[in-house]
Amino acid sequence: EDQVTQSPEALRLQEGESSSLNCSYTVSGLRGLFWYRQDPGKGPEFLFTLYSAGEEKEKERLKATLTKKESFLHITAPKPEDSATYLCAAINFGNEKLTFGTGTRLTIIP
Amino acid sequence: DTAVSQTPKYLVTQMGNDKSIKCEQNLGHDTMYWYKQDSKKFLKIMFSYNNKELIINETVPNRFSPKSPDKAHLNLHINSLELGDSAVYFCASSPKTVDDPTETQYFGPGTRLLVL
Repeated sequence: EDQVTQSPEALRLQEGESSSLNCSYTVSGLRGLFWYRQDPGKGPEFLFTLYSAGEEKEKERLKATLTKKESFLHITAPKPEDSATYLCAAINFGNEKLTFGTGTRLTIIP
Repeated sequence: DTAVSQTPKYLVTQMGNDKSIKCEQNLGHDTMYWYKQDSKKFLKIMFSYNNKELIINETVPNRFSPKSPDKAHLNLHINSLELGDSAVYFCASSPKTVDDPTETQYFGPGTRLLVL
């Protein structure tokens, strides 16, 4: 069965302290790997889709990368407004559903 | 202006009651979904409809019945509510086609259901 695991479960950083969030996946025939941001009391908000190993995408202070087994969400010089839960999800060729990880709760301390 | 909207935002009800949650999207998408997010924030798909046709039906109790009157609406009806049904329910939509299921999903704000 498809599985998506995210680590760490929670991460506290000082403002400006760069770090990475990990998403490892066990999906037979990955078709797409997604990153979402979820603020408290709101629905997930789309950030990136990655399709093949070696692919990278950037948006402001965030950069997502993909290897054959995992994806990283790098956050550079984060600000307090980057505090949120970051969700990773995968979809495979034989299945039409997104499998989500349990998320990383990121807190940026001013 | 809201792309995917859900009503109600909060729903508090007694065990055994029947309730419905409504979802509407104004993005012109063909595919809509229902997800359940439990207390540990784990998001799991329940149903998916493409152009009013059911295409994903996960292992969900048959007390849950989705209904799609048109491709812009996907409602969720829950019969005989149980304590374990308490969760946040999210509706989503995507321009996904049968040939390419990787299209981005856009989520609604969620409906917080509490069963007492």
